[in-house]
Amino acid sequence: QVQLQESGPGLVKPSGTLSLTCAVSGGSISSSYWWSWVRQPPGKGLEWIGEIYHSGSTNYNPSLKSRVTISVDKSKNEFSLKLSSVTAADTAVYYCARKEYSGARRAFDYWGQGALVTVSS
Amino acid sequence: DIEMTQSPSSLSASVGDRVTIICRASHDISNYLNWYQQKPGKAPKLLIYPASSLQGGVPSRFSGSGSGTDFTLTISSLQFEDSATYFCQQSYSTPSFGQGTKLEI
Repeated sequence: QVQLQESGPGLVKPSGTLSLTCAVSGGSISSSYWWSWVRQPPGKGLEWIGEIYHSGSTNYNPSLKSRVTISVDKSKNEFSLKLSSVTAADTAVYYCARKEYSGARRAFDYWGQGALVTVSS
Repeated sequence: DIEMTQSPSSLSASVGDRVTIICRASHDISNYLNWYQQKPGKAPKLLIYPASSLQGGVPSRFSGSGSGTDFTLTISSLQFEDSATYFCQQSYSTPSFGQGTKLEI
């Protein structure tokens, strides 16, 4: 059973950089899946941030692209998110998720428990 | 960008009821549509993808249909544990989600 676990600071200052890591267990990050970040502001809906393949190929949400970097560390079986120049609007629960990508079967089938990140001075 | 619109935003129903949630896409997305269930304080759980195929372990009272721009999620006989927020998500292009439908039982 694949498990994902987010970790990182729960508080980030405005204009700073949000950094989170997602550790993958029960499966290899080098398998044929995309590894994604999705966020959810308190009481609101879900927003896809971006994704990475084990080869290092990435795709980002155009609305966040200028501020987002997603990287992968195959030796540690984990991937990471950096979001720069954060504001209060970036306060959210950040989820990491695995995305199956096979024909029309493209969905987030495993999720981490989520990490609340608050942007505040 | 493809916008996803769900209706209703919330609904209240009783155990045993049949409920339908609608999801509309701003562009034709073929059958690249997924449904998730989210309970308070928990991560979303994949229910149906693409459009009408149940994820393993999901009760058969859940069903999905539709193609193009109009999709539905139906729960045939509500159980108390179905109380949750339901999201649709398109995977045709840059992933995007509907705003959610909160179901109270």
